[in-house]
Amino acid sequence: QKEVEQNSGPLSVPEGAIASLNCTYSDRGSQSFFWYRQYSGKSPELIMSIYSNGDKEDGRFTAQLNKASQYVSLLIRDSQPSDSATYLCAVKRNSGYALNFGKGTSLLVTP
Amino acid sequence: DTGVSQDPRHKITKRGQNVTFRCDPISEHNRLYWYRQTLGQGPEFLTYFQNEAQLEKSRLLSDRFSAERPKGSFSTLEIQRTEQGDSAMYLCASSGGTGSAGDTQYFGPGTRLTVL
Repeated sequence: QKEVEQNSGPLSVPEGAIASLNCTYSDRGSQSFFWYRQYSGKSPELIMSIYSNGDKEDGRFTAQLNKASQYVSLLIRDSQPSDSATYLCAVKRNSGYALNFGKGTSLLVTP
Repeated sequence: DTGVSQDPRHKITKRGQNVTFRCDPISEHNRLYWYRQTLGQGPEFLTYFQNEAQLEKSRLLSDRFSAERPKGSFSTLEIQRTEQGDSAMYLCASSGGTGSAGDTQYFGPGTRLTVL
């Protein structure tokens, strides 16, 4: 079992819709969770971090964390074509400082 | 506030050659990380520095790989006797501060290595 799992997609949503991206992790002791956006050929760009159960909102983005279910999600409201990218879920293990990344979910927002 | 910078951005080398990459973290950040990313995969952790001390190394970091951060500022990653399987994007990230801020890693633009 991989430590961080994401559906690779592609996930296709129409412009203006809500995109829902999901991630599960295996280390129950994990405390810090991150979503990064990566455009093709570019490096990961931090979108959001979340540390406590529940929702965290930042503009059009909402991160949701459920530690009991070991599940993290990212909602993108009013999706725009410029949101088309790969979204990486990253989890910091309870021990050490490294981030474990999923393979990423490819999102395509169609006009 | 300048971000993380990496040099070079692209490197093409022949199998068997040595290559060295440089990373300059965000100036106030004391933590520095190296990752490797291949096509279709998420970044994979290689090594971590806190100031000048290398505190964590992945099993991915074979004997041909060495990293340094001599003065706790910039870092270098050297790959000796490169192999075609070393072709990847090499990413540097940094973080700083206490608590959750210290966990938040910001990535540089990466160095894309192609081994012929």
